[in-house]
Amino acid sequence: NAGVTQTPKFQVLKTGQSMTLQCAQDMNHEYMSWYRQDPGMGLRLIHYSVGAGITDQGEVPNGYNVSRSTTEDFPLRLLSAAPSQTSVYFCASSYGGIGNTEAFFGQGTRLTVV
Amino acid sequence: ILNVEQSPQSLHVQEGDSTNFTCSFPSSNFYALHWYRWETAKSPEALFVMTLNGDEKKKGRISATLNTKEGYSYLYIKGSQPEDSATYLCAFINTNAGKSTFGDGTTLTVKP
Repeated sequence: NAGVTQTPKFQVLKTGQSMTLQCAQDMNHEYMSWYRQDPGMGLRLIHYSVGAGITDQGEVPNGYNVSRSTTEDFPLRLLSAAPSQTSVYFCASSYGGIGNTEAFFGQGTRLTVV
Repeated sequence: ILNVEQSPQSLHVQEGDSTNFTCSFPSSNFYALHWYRWETAKSPEALFVMTLNGDEKKKGRISATLNTKEGYSYLYIKGSQPEDSATYLCAFINTNAGKSTFGDGTTLTVKP
């Protein structure tokens, strides 16, 4: 039972490079989201999706793009990495809307931008 | 940006102590409140999903209450054990469903 799978677990980027963080879930959840977690802070919502083909911005969307072509996958793209994007990124999914049911989180991707 | 506050920021207790902490959130446009337990080097795991004013939920030694009219939720741990050491996060979801706002968490350390 894989749940929510994130890859890679660790990544170092140079300023200006682009990359894609992968997130996949095998629970047929409609709702998927990306968060970043910085020291001393909680999780901040970057982007979310309520179903295939539908995405929307969260609290801190600048510098990130997402797409949702399938129910299973929700990749997060960093267009031009900046040191301010050094963080731990979590992907989450839930059945139906975010409110009614619990979210299941991936193991996180620790990203360092130098 | 919605203001979700958790207090205290950190807490150190002895094994066997009971403890509680608070999540404060806007009292308007309430949709749901979630509690998560987050152990070091792991990912957050859900404890409770609360949607109704007056909700009380329990899982083993951990319980939670919800007051949507005044905008707060309490998490209680009875007889703390070292394995309860973790950061406890609350997440407020407003009626614009899809947007969750997390507090910064309360980090609990239980000393044997």
